[in-house]
Amino acid sequence: SQQGEEDPQALSIQEGENATMNCSYKTSINNLQWYRQNSGRGLVHLILIRSNEREKHSGRLRVTLDTSKKSSSLLITASRAADTASYFCHVSGTYKYIFGTGTRLKVLA
Amino acid sequence: DVKVTQSSRYLVKRTGEKVFLECVQDMDHENMFWYRQDPGLGLRLIYFSYDVKMKEKGDIPEGYSVSREKKERFSLILESASTNQTSMYLCASRGRENNEQFFGPGTRLTVL
Repeated sequence: SQQGEEDPQALSIQEGENATMNCSYKTSINNLQWYRQNSGRGLVHLILIRSNEREKHSGRLRVTLDTSKKSSSLLITASRAADTASYFCHVSGTYKYIFGTGTRLKVLA
Repeated sequence: DVKVTQSSRYLVKRTGEKVFLECVQDMDHENMFWYRQDPGLGLRLIYFSYDVKMKEKGDIPEGYSVSREKKERFSLILESASTNQTSMYLCASRGRENNEQFFGPGTRLTVL
């Protein structure tokens, strides 16, 4: 399968805590992106990291990429109840567009 | 504000019916995509198009076809709907230079 895989599948944390989710993939990539999906809706782009980058920050988001291990992690710091959503990694290469299976994050107020 | 719209939020069809799902984007994007989303399987690419009248198969094209007659519109067609095509269908578009995909709200299709 070409699917990316996230772990954990589900994560429940208290507001203010950090949330970390991981993504592994099988193919060679040009870049890796993370998307967020609120219940039953379309996906929204969060952050992109290129294959020659190792770490990237955007607000409370921190993404790392290890191309030798074909893996990435997304860290959300100081989580809020509004961060409750599903998070998907997406890898793209030449005519390849692959989404992971997603991590369901629940942030408890 | 960028926008991708899909023709229906919810759709119920019967086995064997021909089903059309429409997607329209207003961003003048070259690339458009159709995905289906199922629990535990994430999003799987059905077809994509990188230009008008061009189409490429994704990972799961069987049972589907697509049409892109105009740049802003990308249609997904189920020639003869089956119950295993019950799913959430998501359309997305992307510009030539930008890697970010913009998604529509999704169509939840139920085939009885």
